[in-house]
Amino acid sequence: KQEVTQIPAALSVPEGENLVLNCSFTDSAIYNLQWFRQDPGKGLTSLLLIQSSQREQTSGRLNASLDKSSGRSTLYIAASQPGDSATYLCAVTSRAGGTSYGKLTFGQGTILTVHP
Amino acid sequence: EAGVTQSPTHLIKTRGQQATLRCSPISGHTSVYWYQQALGLGLQFLLWYDEGEERNRGNFPPRFSGRQFPNYSSELNVNALELEDSALYLCASSFWDSPTPNTEAFFGQGTRLTVV
Repeated sequence: KQEVTQIPAALSVPEGENLVLNCSFTDSAIYNLQWFRQDPGKGLTSLLLIQSSQREQTSGRLNASLDKSSGRSTLYIAASQPGDSATYLCAVTSRAGGTSYGKLTFGQGTILTVHP
Repeated sequence: EAGVTQSPTHLIKTRGQQATLRCSPISGHTSVYWYQQALGLGLQFLLWYDEGEERNRGNFPPRFSGRQFPNYSSELNVNALELEDSALYLCASSFWDSPTPNTEAFFGQGTRLTVV
């Protein structure tokens, strides 16, 4: 059964800092890994998708890496802004059979607060 | 291009009643996923439909059911509502490009179900 863990659970930083969010997963048999952000009471916004064959993806101030063999991904946010405050979630799509197949398995998220 | 749309935005039901939630995927997407997010809890996988078929199901009782229509839209039905069913229900869509799906999942804004 695929399990996803995110560290830290919460993070508070001053504006302008660079920061790293961590995600680990137990089964390396994945199709892809996706990072999302969620604002309170809202749906999820997709930030980055990394295919299983890729090592990293970049979008603006965001950079995500994937080390499938060790079951780890990191999301790097450069020059953080108050508008980045949200919950950040990572999810993997499993290729292994059984109950994990095909679905996105989510971590519990990292609550990020960027204060002015 | 329209994103994933969910209706209604809010739904208030009495314990024991039935609720029907609807989801329209992004044009061209064939897969629909349903998730439950109870207050303070993570995203719990409910159902995955692709090409009209149920592909996977989460660990929820049978009173949670759904279907996918020929136009790929989907509905989630919850029978015999209980107070603990109160949650944000999120729908996502993607294109399941078998045998190696590497496509991004997009989420709707959710339906807030309140059971009183």
